[in-house]
Amino acid sequence: EPEVTQTPSHQVTQMGQEVILRCVPISNHLYFYWYRQILGQKVEFLVSFYNNEISEKSEIFDDQFSVERPDGSNFTLKIRSTKLEDSAMYFCASRPEGPYNEQFFGPGTRLTVL
Amino acid sequence: AQSVTQLDSHVSVSEGTPVLLRCNYSSSYSPSLFWYVQHPNKGLQLLLKYTSAATLVKGINGFEAEFKKSETSFHLTKPSAHMSDAAEYFCVVSDQWVGGGADGLTFGKGTHLIIQP
Repeated sequence: EPEVTQTPSHQVTQMGQEVILRCVPISNHLYFYWYRQILGQKVEFLVSFYNNEISEKSEIFDDQFSVERPDGSNFTLKIRSTKLEDSAMYFCASRPEGPYNEQFFGPGTRLTVL
Repeated sequence: AQSVTQLDSHVSVSEGTPVLLRCNYSSSYSPSLFWYVQHPNKGLQLLLKYTSAATLVKGINGFEAEFKKSETSFHLTKPSAHMSDAAEYFCVVSDQWVGGGADGLTFGKGTHLIIQP
């Protein structure tokens, strides 16, 4: 069964450093998403991506964040200058085109900013 | 705007007894509603979804949920709990079908289900 995969599973970085989180969505899916979950809090929507551009973004997704689909299979989330409060679990999701289709989630990347 | 309230942060039941996880939602439109489950160190897996068809929705692993518009609820139930059901459960709402766009999902805070042997 096809799955969304994410790498790395755990990333540790120093405050102020750039990080790139990688996702491989399911191959025939057309909508891509990033969510984050700070420890002890709810899962929050960050951004959606369709047709090679951002479709929607939340107020969390400020100028420090960017997304890219560099090669037709990967979908990346870049944080330019990490802050302590960026420490969280980051989930990638994808879904196919059409109504009533659910989002399929990856296992997540745990980002720890020191 | 949409929101989800999961009324219990933890639920503990004995193996073989019924499970009830409560969820209330608010939405400006006719929502789609989902329950996702997260086992330790795993991704979020869809249990079931409501998309304006039958109000009683059956999902995987014996779970079901009933959409009650008058109560704005979408509670998750299972007649008999199994040890493997121990996990975090998320109630999720979406207005994404309204415009057919790529709107993000809105999650509840999650309910941690504990199964006692």
